[in-house]
Amino acid sequence: DQQVKQNSPSLSVQEGRISILNCDYTNSMFDYFLWYKKYPAEGPTFLISISSIKDKNEDGRFTVFLNKSAKHLSLHIVPSQPGDSAVYFCAATSYTGGFKTIFGAGTRLFVKA
Amino acid sequence: EAGVAQSPRYKIIEKRQSVAFWCNPISGHATLYWYQQILGQGPKLLIQFQNNGVVDDSQLPKDRFSAERLKGVDSTLKIQPAKLEDSAVYLCASSSVHEQYFGPGTRLTVT
Repeated sequence: DQQVKQNSPSLSVQEGRISILNCDYTNSMFDYFLWYKKYPAEGPTFLISISSIKDKNEDGRFTVFLNKSAKHLSLHIVPSQPGDSAVYFCAATSYTGGFKTIFGAGTRLFVKA
Repeated sequence: EAGVAQSPRYKIIEKRQSVAFWCNPISGHATLYWYQQILGQGPKLLIQFQNNGVVDDSQLPKDRFSAERLKGVDSTLKIQPAKLEDSAVYLCASSSVHEQYFGPGTRLTVT
């Protein structure tokens, strides 16, 4: 039962262009959606989040869009930089006596110089 | 602010042996998580603590895995006996609100 799905295992983008990473979910009860970035041999690091009552959140080069009717969110990185090359995990959180988080399988982003 | 600390970083054991991992969360974070991450997959929650108490251990294989959180701070995760399919990265994370902060992980190889 995959409640959070990232259907693209990898994405390759030219430096300076936009990277768009996609995520679909099935549970309407999630309270927050988050993106984490992971470099090899390191733990994931929190990147950006969005509340379920919002449809957009922006932080510098990173913007997350939430489409609740489609149960879809996306992460936009503009402009993409070689240092953005990493695995990006989409995650969804619900609060039931504590925040419970479910992660997608990840998308590996390659930014070519 | 110090991050989440984990040790060891790497461990190689034979099947049927036991192993233990240690985690020290960020100071003041009430919630602590242990995840298992198999190559090519996202982190899968094994157990979640809120202070000393267990909030969720529904996906913890309790016949071989155990975890405790000492005085609501440090935590240990133990596997006894290990199986080949336990080879994975074990991640510890802590949080005060919805975003989690992860340690570097322990890569376990079971041969």
